[in-house]
Amino acid sequence: DSGVTQTPKHLITATGQRVTLRCSPRSGDLSVYWYQQSLDQGLQFLIHYYNGEERAKGNILERFSAQQFPDLHSELNLSSLELGDSALYFCASSEGDPGFGNYGYTFGSGTRLTVV
Amino acid sequence: ELKVEQNPLFLSMQEGKNYTIYCNYSTTSDRLYWYRQDPGKSLESLFVLLSNGAVKQEGRLMASLDTKARLSTLHITAAVHDLSATYFCAVDIRYGGSQGNLIFGKGTKLSVKP
Repeated sequence: DSGVTQTPKHLITATGQRVTLRCSPRSGDLSVYWYQQSLDQGLQFLIHYYNGEERAKGNILERFSAQQFPDLHSELNLSSLELGDSALYFCASSEGDPGFGNYGYTFGSGTRLTVV
Repeated sequence: ELKVEQNPLFLSMQEGKNYTIYCNYSTTSDRLYWYRQDPGKSLESLFVLLSNGAVKQEGRLMASLDTKARLSTLHITAAVHDLSATYFCAVDIRYGGSQGNLIFGKGTKLSVKP
């Protein structure tokens, strides 16, 4: 157990639907990152939150959004789902503000999303 | 465009043999990570390389970083079946550009056969 908790582990939904993926970071970690892993695109960074604020955006579609709550858990919302959104979605957390110190990233076990 | 290129992408080895996986990257960074992923599982951190010339070893795996050449290597010594997995390198561009994200290579799928 890495200490980063993601729910649900598996999700099957239909095209056009909306889903919410949840991530609880390791205790004490203020940063949460979301990544998407698909066969064709590999591992791609989506978005980063630090202590409730958005800090960086990667290849995140406009149909996707995220937020980090006061208790530091984060949610990734995926809407108007398409078949191509089927992927493994990982959350990672790290201790502090990027740019300071030696911080590693701890990954959760992921949520496997299947859009049918 | 930021690129992280790993080679080979597929590697079939015999137990007891040595091999090296290469990771080239196109952006300035002095922080590089190696991860292991088993099928359907999460990413397990293997090494964090923080500066030019860094070398770290754990068991049969040794990683190194040359920031001037923008090259990292993961060397496997006397491979065993348990090392079969996919290995990813990732460059952290938190200092060189946008904050706090990892650019991953495509991964090297390693299969160690008896």
